[in-house]
Amino acid sequence: RKEVEQDPGPFNVPEGATVAFNCTYSNSASQSFFWYRQDCRKEPKLLMSVYSSGNEDGRFTAQLNRASQYISLLIRDSKLSDSATYLCVVNARDTGRRALTFGSGTRLQVQP
Amino acid sequence: GAVVSQHPSWVICKSGTSVKIECRSLDFQATTMFWYRQFPKQSLMLMATSNEGSKATYEQGVEKDKFLINHASLTLSTLTVTSAHPEDSSFYICSARDRPTSYEQYFGPGTRLTVT
Repeated sequence: RKEVEQDPGPFNVPEGATVAFNCTYSNSASQSFFWYRQDCRKEPKLLMSVYSSGNEDGRFTAQLNRASQYISLLIRDSKLSDSATYLCVVNARDTGRRALTFGSGTRLQVQP
Repeated sequence: GAVVSQHPSWVICKSGTSVKIECRSLDFQATTMFWYRQFPKQSLMLMATSNEGSKATYEQGVEKDKFLINHASLTLSTLTVTSAHPEDSSFYICSARDRPTSYEQYFGPGTRLTVT
């Protein structure tokens, strides 16, 4: 089983739509969770950290369910500029190095 | 914000040659840098963790003699792909951490390597 699993998509949605991405992780001891965004042929950029109580940043809402080892990202009022691949990221098993494990990403295409 | 640069941004080389990629933290000191590789339509795979002044820690399956890492200063780490082959063609991305207690990493823009 992969350490971090995501639905690869693509998700094709019209502008203004609300879209949700899910991610599951296998290491129950994971402590840090992030959503990154990656545009085609570019480096990943941090979108937001995910906190236990859930957190919101503008149109983006992240939720964490530790019992189910499940993370979600909700994007409201989608914009064309939201088109990208969204990577679910969890701290790696070996926390001594504080490395990260990336999911394979969910591709979002927002249509005009 | 913390800025990480990589050089070169792309490189084409012939099979059998070696290629060096530089990763620099521009406005902070990075005791730890990470090297990732990403094949098309796949996720970032951690290759190694680069520690300033000590040997790098390689992930399982990554050949340390093929991917030489040197982290000689707090702002520079280099990855050398030795005797490159076409299957080494990939997108190589480095990242750096500005605080040892944090998981947050700042990524360089990546280096696209094509081996012909």
